[in-house]
Amino acid sequence: AQKITQTQPGMFVQEKEAVTLDCTYDTSDPSYGLFWYKQPSSGEMIFLIYQGSYDQQNATEGRYSLNFQKARKSANLVISASQLGDSAMYFCAMRADQTGANNLFFGTGTRLTVIP
Amino acid sequence: DTGVSQDPRHKITKRGQNVTFRCDPISEHNRLYWYRQTLGQGPEFLTYFQNEAQLEKSRLLSDRFSAERPKGSFSTLEIQRTEQGDSAMYLCASSLLAGAELFFGEGSRLTVL
Repeated sequence: AQKITQTQPGMFVQEKEAVTLDCTYDTSDPSYGLFWYKQPSSGEMIFLIYQGSYDQQNATEGRYSLNFQKARKSANLVISASQLGDSAMYFCAMRADQTGANNLFFGTGTRLTVIP
Repeated sequence: DTGVSQDPRHKITKRGQNVTFRCDPISEHNRLYWYRQTLGQGPEFLTYFQNEAQLEKSRLLSDRFSAERPKGSFSTLEIQRTEQGDSAMYLCASSLLAGAELFFGEGSRLTVL
């Protein structure tokens, strides 16, 4: 079974500063994928970044980077140079590749508030 | 707009009534997923289709829930005899068969009175 844990219900960050959102996971599958999605108040889940379990390097997408520590089973999201538009819910999710379904298991999310 | 679209965006119904939600995926996407999201929680997987075949439905919450994708394009999620506990956001997502990323719609918010 897959499990995603996000221990920070809410985070605050000053505009232009960097922030790290924590995510730990648990799975017995040797091959899996880790995702971060942003959910603004409109409700749509917006894909941010993906990390495969066999990827050697940490994923980066613009201001987003994923700090992947496989031995610790953590996949923290780092947002650099925060902007007011970054205020939203952020969800970490995992896909177990061996199921073939490609469906995702989500954590409970972290609400990020960017302070001007 | 070529993203995933869902209809209606909001639905208010009385307990015991049936409701149906529609999802139009991105046109070239083979896979379509339904998720439910309750307040303060992450999305919870319900079911998914590959083309018109429903390959996983064991996570549908009860036999009051059913989903179809008759022609492998749009999908519907029906909830019969709604209960107050069904109040939630119902999210649809689609993906390419071999793709890593799921593309989500904006969701259909259900309120059962």
